[in-house]
Formats: sequence, C-alpha cells, structure tokens
Amino acid sequence: DQQVKQNSPSLSVQEGRISILNCDYTNSMFDYFLWYKKYPAEGPTFLISISSIKDKNEDGRFTVFLNKSAKHLSLHIVPSQPGDSAVYFCAASAVDKDTGNQFYFGTGTSLTVIP
Amino acid sequence: EAQVTQNPRYLITVTGKKLTVTCSQNMNHEYMSWYRQDPGLGLRQIYYSMNVEVTDKGDVPEGYKVSRKEKRNFPLILESPSPNQTSLYFCASSFRARLGTSYEQYFGPGTRLTVT
Repeated sequence: DQQVKQNSPSLSVQEGRISILNCDYTNSMFDYFLWYKKYPAEGPTFLISISSIKDKNEDGRFTVFLNKSAKHLSLHIVPSQPGDSAVYFCAASAVDKDTGNQFYFGTGTSLTVIP
Repeated sequence: EAQVTQNPRYLITVTGKKLTVTCSQNMNHEYMSWYRQDPGLGLRQIYYSMNVEVTDKGDVPEGYKVSRKEKRNFPLILESPSPNQTSLYFCASSFRARLGTSYEQYFGPGTRLTVT
C-alpha cells in the first residue's frame, strides 16, 4: 500500500507563474520529508526538505509547506522556469537511530514549464 | 568530486543468470540504499544499510541480496533474475539520520536492467 501519494501525474505551468506540487502521506510516524527532482537518464537530485517540527521551509525559489494534521505537503516553485521541467518526487521517512530508517517515495509528478 | 557511481549502466541478461550491480560512494556516508523505479510505482526501496555489516530490508526485498563489507561499497546481487526484475535501479547514500539534521540522499545515475 502506497504510504506516500502524489495524485497528479503531470502539471503544466507558464514560465514565471507559480508551480504547486502536492503530496499526501498516511503514516503519522513520518517525521522527515524531502523533495527530489529527476531529469531523464539521471538519478534524482535533492531539492528541499522539512522536518515535522516545522510547517514551512524556504530555499530560494522553492518552498515546502507541511500540514501535519492533514498529512499533506506541497512544494511551491516561484517563479517557475523552463529548466524546472522535470519529474518531482516526494519522499518521507521516520528517524530511528537504532534500526535505521526506510524511505518511502511517491510516484512522481512531471512538471512542464512552458516558455 | 562527490559522487555515487553504479556499474554497469545498462545490462541485458537472461532468466536465472546471477548478476551483481556495483555501487560506490566517495563521501564517507554511513547510509546506503538501493531503489527500483517502475512506471506508475515511483521509487521503491529494496534494501538499505546503516553502516558496515548492517543491512535491512526495504519495501521490496524479494529476489535481491546485498552486502556491506566496506563503507564505500554496497553491491546489489540478483541470484536468479526473473523478468519481473526488469527495472531501473538506483543506488543512494547519505549521512546517517539524526533528529534535527538533514539527511538527504545522493543518488547514482541508475542501472537499466532487462531480464529476458
């Protein structure tokens, strides 16, 4: 059963506008969330993360929002640029210093930024 | 240059012929992991390792083996590959998870495996 869900397989946005990518999770034990970007024929690259003790984390054009009560997080990209066109994966984990931690990824959202 | 390397990048093999995909990182990371990516299923974790000689099953470990004899290497072994293991495989590494710190993973370029 998918513990991390990205319900929008694709999204198209005009250059300069805001891109909003959404992610839902089911496991309340998750305490760390990450977004990765993936270009074709490359491995995913880390974009931004957020700890469950926060509700917002910002890094340049990228902001991640976490709503723990709704088990929902979103990635905002402002302004969107053509180079942002890629597949975006949401991931979640629960820290356990003794047994390690598993990561759970969503199915990805393909973002296309139209010039 | 900090990186995760995987070999081979592409592999076509036949059912039942044992194979190993190597993974190596040069960042002194404690944590290493293997994932497979399939259409409509995203990335799924196969095995992970918190440190040398410590490995744990991920979400989809059936049909795979791993070993962690050295910190920098984490090979993925398919003892008897089957067509349902045809997939895109990624190795990743990171510092060990600690509360309050960031532990984003660095991914290798991927290995495209086809089992006929």
